[in-house]
Amino acid sequence: GAVVSQHPSRVICKSGTSVKIECRSLDFQATTMFWYRQFPKQSLMLMATSNEGSKATYEQGVEKDKFLINHASLTLSTLTVTSAHPEDSSFYICSARDPFSNTEAFFGQGTRLTVV
Amino acid sequence: KQEVTQIPAALSVPEGENLVLNCSFTDSAIYNLQWFRQDPGKGLTSLLLIQSSQREQTSGRLNASLDKSSGRSTLYIAASQPGDSATYLCAVKTGGSYIPTFGRGTSLIVHP
Repeated sequence: GAVVSQHPSRVICKSGTSVKIECRSLDFQATTMFWYRQFPKQSLMLMATSNEGSKATYEQGVEKDKFLINHASLTLSTLTVTSAHPEDSSFYICSARDPFSNTEAFFGQGTRLTVV
Repeated sequence: KQEVTQIPAALSVPEGENLVLNCSFTDSAIYNLQWFRQDPGKGLTSLLLIQSSQREQTSGRLNASLDKSSGRSTLYIAASQPGDSATYLCAVKTGGSYIPTFGRGTSLIVHP
């Protein structure tokens, strides 16, 4: 199956700093990527959908200015958590859509963000 | 709006048991249903994908069934092993959307 690589897998940052998470599709071009957030023992919550070359579409309740998404190429989308606070600590997972296999969802390994 | 429920939330069984994980969804107009495995602190690994026109899919000791009319899917794990310990997530894609709706998962522990 297709491979989606997410980096870093773990990051600890100080409150007030910004953190960038990368999501790459390694063997296909992903026109659309999705960013999820997962709280402990909870399901995945869709945060935003990013389309290559255009602005991301955010789900209701997700702050656009806090969670900056850039999808500048067909193989890379980035999520930047700006001015991070302890409540932003969570597990973030990206997913990429292969337009030639749109029936299946491919996920990255996830990023554990801890803000201290 | 599609809602996906997984029962039980947690399950602990001895090694060797056959077990069934349940997933139910409210909108039967689905495109497909996918079962994932998630190890602690890790991403999602796709286990089985069932298209809306299919009734079941099998891979090794795993069998997933789909009953669209009743809004249910089950994941059957035969002869469970400690290595099967993980959280199992069910995700449903409703027709016309690329975005799956996830259940909260079933946390499985298989003890030796």
